[in-house]
Amino acid sequence: EVQLVESGGGLVQPGGSLRLSCAASGFTFSSYWMHWVRQVPGKGLVWVSHINPDGSITSYADSVKGRFTISRDNAKNTVFLQMNSLRAEDTAIYYCVRDFRATNYWGQGTLVTVSS
Amino acid sequence: QSALTQPASVSGSPGQSITISCTGTSSDIGGYNIVSWYQHHPDKVPKLMIYDVSNRPSGVSTRFSGSKSGNTASLTISGLQAEDEADYFCTSYTRSGTHVFGGGTRLTVL
Repeated sequence: EVQLVESGGGLVQPGGSLRLSCAASGFTFSSYWMHWVRQVPGKGLVWVSHINPDGSITSYADSVKGRFTISRDNAKNTVFLQMNSLRAEDTAIYYCVRDFRATNYWGQGTLVTVSS
Repeated sequence: QSALTQPASVSGSPGQSITISCTGTSSDIGGYNIVSWYQHHPDKVPKLMIYDVSNRPSGVSTRFSGSKSGNTASLTISGLQAEDEADYFCTSYTRSGTHVFGGGTRLTVL
């Protein structure tokens, strides 16, 4: 059974940092692009970042470029999102997503709240 | 990276057909056949309904279909059912090597 389990969310002050993790199981993790997508509760989905199967290609939304870094450890079947210089507008549920095509799968999400 | 444009809401009666549009530019929808549609019910994770413009993943009802013309993609739901009431989001790959979502459309089944 495919599983994506996010962790690392929580309350952080503006300017602070958090590192999200997404532990994958039930599939060959090293074969898939992985994404982070966020959603302010009650609002729309926003693509944040993606990384290719071997970790050599990454991309970011303009709103997080220079502040967030995506990475992966294929030996541990885990993808990460390092979030620095956090702002109030980064407050959202962050979803870990496998692929954006036929083999799409979403984790349950982890809530990040940026507030003083 | 401007969000794709979707109508805020659409509605239809059971059994009817509705179409949700998703408008972008030649740098995203118009340039690539990598457009997906997601259904999102409250308190659930988004569900992929259409990928690569018009392909249905295994298990998705044939009542859902996708198409594209120029810079606009469309999701059509035929034989509307109460369980189709949800938010629908489109997304496209972009020339910048990123992805962009639409603002979402709330479908109400009357």
